[in-house]
Amino acid sequence: NAGVTQTPKFQVLKTGQSMTLQCAQDMNHEYMSWYRQDPGMGLRLIHYSVGAGITDQGEVPNGYNVSRSTTEDFPLRLLSAAPSQTSVYFCASSYRTSGSRNEQFFGPGTRLTVL
Amino acid sequence: GDSVTQMEGPVTLSEEAFLTINCTYTATGYPSLFWYVQYPGEGLQLLLKATKADDKGSNKGFEATYRKETTSFHLEKGSVQVSDSAVYFCALRTLGSNYQLIWGAGTKLIIKP
Repeated sequence: NAGVTQTPKFQVLKTGQSMTLQCAQDMNHEYMSWYRQDPGMGLRLIHYSVGAGITDQGEVPNGYNVSRSTTEDFPLRLLSAAPSQTSVYFCASSYRTSGSRNEQFFGPGTRLTVL
Repeated sequence: GDSVTQMEGPVTLSEEAFLTINCTYTATGYPSLFWYVQYPGEGLQLLLKATKADDKGSNKGFEATYRKETTSFHLEKGSVQVSDSAVYFCALRTLGSNYQLIWGAGTKLIIKP
């Protein structure tokens, strides 16, 4: 299993540009989510999905869109990049359960700089 | 709502010292509790977890016990190494949070040789 993969690892954008951060998992997890991590801060949830075709907003959704057409993929789209979106982005996935197999698995992150 | 409070860092210790990082939580229902670790320049990895009261999670010499009576999940290690230098995050997850992880702010640990 590759686990959770993210591309690209690094990206530099100009203000106003759009782009898509890719996330894929091969563990058949129902739940997927996107976080951003800013210096000295914890993780903040952007959007999440509890299954294909179902998405919902997290704590900081403005400026981002998501879709979940398959179980495996959960792309994050930046509509019009702003310097405030400079951050490290993590994708995570897990089973949708309250049982023992409920830990989230994280991708390696995408470091985004918006100039 | 549900929340997690961690001790603020950075925590600086000498090699072979005893480590405690405090974590307390507020949650409705019966949360699962987690410690994640983030090494410099890397993503987050699950360090240990506990899914019910009195469970003890352990991994790589780290331990944490799920204490329902004190709503705590403190992380401990008897003898830290330089390689343990990282940021440690406490988190909880409940059905009521729609499977979202509720995160603490993280505690940076610095181990000096």
